[in-house]
Parts: sequence; structure tokens; C-alpha cells
Amino acid sequence: SQQGEEDPQALSIQEGENATMNCSYKTSINNLQWYRQNSGRGLVHLILIRSNEREKHSGRLRVTLDTSKKSSSLLITASRAADTASYFCATDLNYGGSQGNLIFGKGTKLSVKP
Amino acid sequence: NAGVTQTPKFQVLKTGQSMTLQCAQDMNHEYMSWYRQDPGMGLRLIHYSVGAGITDQGEVPNGYNVSRSTTEDFPLRLLSAAPSQTSVYFCASSYSTNRGVGEKLFFGSGTQLSVL
Repeated sequence: SQQGEEDPQALSIQEGENATMNCSYKTSINNLQWYRQNSGRGLVHLILIRSNEREKHSGRLRVTLDTSKKSSSLLITASRAADTASYFCATDLNYGGSQGNLIFGKGTKLSVKP
Repeated sequence: NAGVTQTPKFQVLKTGQSMTLQCAQDMNHEYMSWYRQDPGMGLRLIHYSVGAGITDQGEVPNGYNVSRSTTEDFPLRLLSAAPSQTSVYFCASSYSTNRGVGEKLFFGSGTQLSVL
């Protein structure tokens, strides 16, 4: 069962523009994480935001979390061609049966044109 | 450190064959897991382990077995391969499963499996 859903499924922008991706989830979480996957490679962790945090920054990345709306957004500022990749949100479910497993969304495919 | 190492990178099987996908990590991580990634489906959890000798099922465990005899290794066995198991398989690990703190996952580079 999919917990997180990213939106849009695909995004194409020009270098230098900002890219915004959204993630919605269904149930209460402990934290939400964003990962990047370059074509043909494994996923790489970008940023983690806890359920009691509202915003977090890391370099050109800005993540927000709205637990009342069960949604998060990832903003990449001043995008570069090297940012071309798929981006996934992952949630750590907050219920007794979970062992801290991460549930991933289907991803947003970002293409940054030079 | 090598991180998370998966072998092989590519594999073609015939229906009914069995094989083992290898995963090893050198970071002394307690938690290890296997995901499969299919187009349009994202990543789905197959099996996971919170320590040596402890394994449990994820979302899509049918057709797969795992064991965790050491902290470092977490092999995934396909018992009788089926075309529906054609996928890209990722092994991932993290230091612990402290849900209150949150732990990031470290991923291997994946195994692309085709079952004919």
C-alpha cells in the first residue's frame, strides 16, 4: 500500500529555475524523508524532517511539512542540469506494527534543461 | 568504506530457476532491507531485518526468502522465479530502527533482474 504520493509525476524546467515537488501521505508519521535517484543508480538520502518541524534547509534544498494537511514539499532553488533525477518522498509510519520501515512514493521525475 | 554492495548487477533467469541476490554492508548497520522497484509503482518493501537472526516480511514478500546470519550480510533468495519478479532490486541499510529519531537509508546500486 502506497503511503506517499508525489506530485507532479514529471517536471521539466530550465536551468536556473526553481523546482517544486509535493508529497501527500495518508497516516500519522514520525518523520518524512526525501531521496534522489539518478538514472540507473540507487537512491541517495537528501533531507529528513521530523513531525514536529515545519521547515528545513540544506544547501539549495528547502523542505516544508504540514502535518495538518499531511503534505510536504521539496523546493530546489537555482536548478542545475545535474539535478536531473527522480525524487522520492518516504515516510516512517507512526503505529505499533511498524519497525521504522520507510514507505516510498512513486516519485517525481525532474528534467533540468541546460 | 564500500557502503552497501549488491551483486550481481544484472541477471537473466528462466521461469522456475532459483537464485540468490547478495547484499553486504560494512557500516555495522543493524537494519537491512530489500525493496523492488517497478515502473509506475515506486519502491515496495519485500523483507527487512532489525538485527542478526531477526527477519520479517514487508509489503510484497511472496516468492522471496531472506536470512540474516551476520550483521553484514542479507541475501535475498528467489525460490522459483516468475516473470512477475522481473524488477530492479535494491538493498538498503541504516544504523538502527529508532523510529523516534528517524534514520536515513543507505542504498546499494541495485540488481536488474529479468525472468523469461
